[in-house]
This record gives sequence, C-alpha cells and structure tokens, in this order.
Amino acid sequence: DTGVSQNPRHKITKRGQNVTFRCDPISEHNRLYWYRQTLGQGPEFLTYFQNEAQLEKSRLLSDRFSAERPKGSFSTLEIQRTEQGDSAMYLCASSPGQGSTDTQYFGPGTRLTVL
Amino acid sequence: AQTVTQSQPEMSVQEAETVTLSCTYDTSENNYYLFWYKQPPSRQMILVIRQEAYKQQNATENRFSVNFQKAAKSFSLKISDSQLGDTAMYFCAFMIMEYGNKLVFGAGTILRVKS
Repeated sequence: DTGVSQNPRHKITKRGQNVTFRCDPISEHNRLYWYRQTLGQGPEFLTYFQNEAQLEKSRLLSDRFSAERPKGSFSTLEIQRTEQGDSAMYLCASSPGQGSTDTQYFGPGTRLTVL
Repeated sequence: AQTVTQSQPEMSVQEAETVTLSCTYDTSENNYYLFWYKQPPSRQMILVIRQEAYKQQNATENRFSVNFQKAAKSFSLKISDSQLGDTAMYFCAFMIMEYGNKLVFGAGTILRVKS
C-alpha cells in the first residue's frame, strides 16, 4: 500500500502533556497538508507544505502547535501543553503539487483524546 | 469568506435506489475546483468525484454524478443504484487554486443505505 500513512492512529494523553504525530505522504508528492476534524464536522485546514517549506498556517494553529517537514518527505505535527479542546482527529493529506487539478489524498488520521 | 453548506445532516436510501446530496458554497473567486469526498465509518476519506468550475459539463464517475450550477453556487451529488458500501459520511469541498490549494469542507451528510 503506497497511500498516506499516519502514526499513531490513536493517542490518549493528559492535559498539559506534549504530543507528536507523524505523516508519511505518497512518494513524490510535493505538497502535504494537515487538517483537524472534530466530531460531526468537516475537516478544517491547519497548515501546508510545498516540499520542506511551510507556506501557510491557519489562525487555528496557535503557538502551541508546530509542524515540520524536514527534507520534504514525512511531516510531524507537535502540540505542546495539550488542552481538552485539542481533542480531535488530525488528518494528513498529500498531493502531487502540479497539474491542473491537484487532488489531495488523505491518510487514516490520528485521533487525539486529551483527558 | 469561503464557506460550504450541506443542509442535510442525514439521509437514508433503500439499496438500488437513487439519492441526491445537496451542497452550496460561497466564494467570489472564479478559478476553483469542487469535490465530493466519502468517509466510511472508521475509515479514511477517499475522493468520490471532482469538478472544475470552468467546465460546464457535469462530472460523472460510474454510479456517481454531479449537478453543478455555477451561477447558483450549487454542487449536488447523485448516487445511482445505491449499494450498502455507499454508507458513509459525505463531504462537499472546494479548492481555490490561488489559495494554496487548501480544501474548504462542509459539515457533511451522513448517508445510510438500507437493505
């Protein structure tokens, strides 16, 4: 399977702890996106990378959130000092980054529960 | 503001029948793309169908077709010959090419196919 993979699939943590999620995009996809999905809602954009450059961050991404994509391959999303409001599904997507229709392909997500 | 509205929180359909899911959106841009994604229970989101806004012809993918009304900013999804495997949450989304290709999603419609 050469789709987008995310790890871990589930994470339970206590309020105030730091967590880190990983996303491995489809090979040779230049763009990588992070979205957050809360229960009963559609995904909301957080940030995206073109290769290793982080080109846009949503206002939803507070100072406690940081994302990286070293060498333009996998990406990590870290949340520091987690709060209960951070509980959500964190989705990663990748796209070729070229062509007239740059379709995004999604991973299975990481479900975060903050106690 | 870029928004997507899915006015039907839940829908149900009998197996083999046809169902239409509604979607309206709001944007002042002209160059954009529209998508329907499917998220089965506890499974990852997959692309169902996409439509380029500059194309007048409605997109079709096997049993799935769209009714794209650009002036009305409407983008409905028709599923013909519904199958049990079509049971899922369906998200309507659009993407503006100049805005980093990030997707803006609606809140989703839960579709249940009954046998």
